[in-house]
Amino acid sequence: EVQLVQSGAEVKKPGESLKISCKGSGYSFTSYWIGWVRQMPGKGLEWMGIIYPGDSDTRYSPSFQGQVTISADKSISTAYLQWSSLKASDTAMYYCARPALDGTLDYWGQGTLVTVSS
Amino acid sequence: EIVLTQSPGTLSLSPGERATLSCRASQSVSSSYLAWYQQKPGQAPRLLIYGASSRATGIPDRFSGSGSGTDFTLTISRLEPEDFAVYYCQQYGSSPETFGPGTKVDIK
Repeated sequence: EVQLVQSGAEVKKPGESLKISCKGSGYSFTSYWIGWVRQMPGKGLEWMGIIYPGDSDTRYSPSFQGQVTISADKSISTAYLQWSSLKASDTAMYYCARPALDGTLDYWGQGTLVTVSS
Repeated sequence: EIVLTQSPGTLSLSPGERATLSCRASQSVSSSYLAWYQQKPGQAPRLLIYGASSRATGIPDRFSGSGSGTDFTLTISRLEPEDFAVYYCQQYGSSPETFGPGTKVDIK
């Protein structure tokens, strides 16, 4: 069974750094891309970027380029999303999702809620 | 970047009624790479339709998708109580992949 299990909720202060994770299981982790999607409170879905764990090829949506870093450790089948300096506007639910071979997001993690508040 | 517009923003219907949701793209979506997702409160989105008209695994046949180019439609033939949710379209034919703002289907 394909599963994406994300790390738990985080509460941080502005300016702090953060790295959240998404662990894949039940499939060949290095053979599929992993994407990240943001959902701000009460808002819609926003595509952030994607990584191919097999060779770490990474692509960012222009809106998120330079704002976050996506990485992966294929030895432990885990993808990451990180911030070097959080802002209050980073408060959101973050989902990882696995695109199928045609690009549709057929499996999703349960989401990680990130709250940034002073 | 392809911008997706969904209408209406909210659709108020009763169980058993037919729901018709629209998704319009700012430019042609390559190879009908258009998907629909359902999201219920507190849950991750779920894939319903891919390739504009193909149902994902386990999706009931009351859900159907149609369209091509810049105009796409999701139809729910007879609304069940569990269908009241927010629906998003997504294009995945051009980078960056983009989502529409969503249509909320709520109980009238």
